Amino acid sequence: GAGVSQTPSNKVTEKGKYVELRCDPISGHTALYWYRQSLGQGPEFLIYFQGTGAADDSGLPNDRFFAVRPEGSVSTLKIQRTERGDSAVYLCASSLIALGSPSGYTFGSGTRLTVV
Amino acid sequence: AQSVTQLDSQVPVFEEAPVELRCNYSSSVSVYLFWYVQYPNQGLQLLLKYLSGSTLVKGINGFEAEFNKSQTSFHLRKPSVHISDTAEYFCAVSDQEGAQKLVFGQGTRLTINP
Repeated sequence: GAGVSQTPSNKVTEKGKYVELRCDPISGHTALYWYRQSLGQGPEFLIYFQGTGAADDSGLPNDRFFAVRPEGSVSTLKIQRTERGDSAVYLCASSLIALGSPSGYTFGSGTRLTVV
Repeated sequence: AQSVTQLDSQVPVFEEAPVELRCNYSSSVSVYLFWYVQYPNQGLQLLLKYLSGSTLVKGINGFEAEFNKSQTSFHLRKPSVHISDTAEYFCAVSDQEGAQKLVFGQGTRLTINP
């Protein structure tokens, strides 16, 4: 597609439930990143994929968070046993090679997750 | 590890006035530097980036920024702002190796008054 697509755009879930957030990167982009943006804050890094593998997952806050990218394209961020503190906008970005390439990152519009 | 400090959480200015949004960073390695803009209810859009070369970087919408290595700063400037520049602005840094993940500042809310 023309840009990075994230679905759903909004998700409201009850505390304790499981959620999945989807990211469709730009076709051909090998690098994919997930970030989390809490209200009034800058985005914070969660995880980075190069192809199918998670090259850096140091930003995942705990073991309730998991992400996959099985075919090196679409990625799913999975959150188990959601807590109210998980409420945030989850941003996905993709890049052709890496950040320092001339094309840089392209961000999606994000998924706003609200845990009630 | 890198960190970014945006010194002003809010900056109000009048239309057609100049503006400077300040950004300082810390890092023990060579970095790339970025400014992103986020309009209400929209995703992040790249304004400009410094990778190497000239320390004065020009971006979209008339914005520019200057990389100052000795002061570890990357301040964003525009000589004359418009109402449409009202948005949240984020400075970000990344190391030049490895995952090249972005570390963002807290953001500066730029409000343009008529």
